Amino acid sequence: EIVLTQSPGTLSLSLGERATLSCRASQSVSSSHLAWYQHKPGQAPRVLMYGASSRATGIPDRFSGSGSGTDFTLTISRLEPEDFAVYYCHQFGSSPRTFGQGTKLEIK
Amino acid sequence: QVHLVQSGDEVKKPGASVRVSCKTSGYTFDSYGISWVRQAPGQGLEWMGWATAYNDNRDYAQRFQGRITMTTDTPTSTVYMELRSLRSDDTAVYYCARGGFSTSCDYWGQGTQVTVSS
Repeated sequence: EIVLTQSPGTLSLSLGERATLSCRASQSVSSSHLAWYQHKPGQAPRVLMYGASSRATGIPDRFSGSGSGTDFTLTISRLEPEDFAVYYCHQFGSSPRTFGQGTKLEIK
Repeated sequence: QVHLVQSGDEVKKPGASVRVSCKTSGYTFDSYGISWVRQAPGQGLEWMGWATAYNDNRDYAQRFQGRITMTTDTPTSTVYMELRSLRSDDTAVYYCARGGFSTSCDYWGQGTQVTVSS
């Protein structure tokens, strides 16, 4: 099983700051099989990035993704109020498909 | 537009079974599989498995093997997830999502709360 380890567990930042979230895989993952999601309380998760670096439909360009192999990064260039949520990475190249444990992005 | 609509919340006793439905619309049903993902209280997302009507294929996470069954009903474009021998730690919100096996989960149901309590 591929274990995805996200860091940090909690990230406290202010509006307008840059957020950098990490996802490290225990084995190599094809970048085409790596996605990022945003999850807010009481809502379903929403896909942000697929293929590690492609923005999903309707996702603003302040969100970007990068990485390959075992190290992937989600960057939010300038934090807006609606960006404070929990973020998950997800690999779907190997069974069982797995999610990281999440990074909570909170307002400082 | 694509929609996934799940059945209502459930309360079950330990040892019982639960069946959650996910009715899809807005796309060709057998062109995409459906994943089931759950979130226990205070925990992260957990992928449970995937099913497709295309070739009737299934893939379940090993920790659920033997007590989970996913079925597809093409005439109604609905996927069902049955979890048996429920325990208190199965208390969670259960989501269905389009994809999640070879593609990202691009559309999600609204979630179904399953509570297991004596």
